Amino acid sequence: AQKVTQAQTEISVVEKEDVTLDCVYETRDTTYYLFWYKQPPSGELVFLIRRNSFDEQNEISGRYSWNFQKSTSSFNFTITASQVVDSAVYFCALSDNNAGNMLTFGGGTRLMVKP
Amino acid sequence: DTGVSQDPRHKITKRGQNVTFRCDPISEHNRLYWYRQTLGQGPEFLTYFQNEAQLEKSRLLSDRFSAERPKGSFSTLEIQRTEQGDSAMYLCASSLSFSPLHFGNGTRLTVT
Repeated sequence: AQKVTQAQTEISVVEKEDVTLDCVYETRDTTYYLFWYKQPPSGELVFLIRRNSFDEQNEISGRYSWNFQKSTSSFNFTITASQVVDSAVYFCALSDNNAGNMLTFGGGTRLMVKP
Repeated sequence: DTGVSQDPRHKITKRGQNVTFRCDPISEHNRLYWYRQTLGQGPEFLTYFQNEAQLEKSRLLSDRFSAERPKGSFSTLEIQRTEQGDSAMYLCASSLSFSPLHFGNGTRLTVT
């Protein structure tokens, strides 16, 4: 069975601080996909990134970066120089090769960025 | 691209009543998904359609739940004989094959 664990339920930082959101996953599949979604107060989940299990290169997109380590089954997300607009709930998710967009989500991490 | 639209935004119903929600996906998207999200939890997959065919249903989807996607366009999710445990946010999402999901704003159901 697949499982995604986001141990940090809430994180509070002050604007301009860097923050890392942890994600640990479990799967028996050798081919799988990992995702991060953002859910702002408006409620609509917004796609941030998708990585497949064969691509362990770290990814950077502006202030966002992702660190994928198969050895520790982790896919962590770092926001550099956080801003108030980054305040949201962030979800890590997993699907196996045949599951497509049938995702298994973690419980989410609520990030609060204070001015 | 007008986004995924869900109606209604909020629904309050009494236990035992039937409710129906509607989802209008992004027009060119062939896949449509339903997820359920309870307070403080991540979304849970319920079911998905490719065009008009319902290809997968989660074990979470009891016999009281039924979903349709006639003509591969909009979709409806019906819950019969609602129970208090059905109270949740029901999220619809669509995609073009395995492109990333686009989610709607959800329908919040409260069963009293």
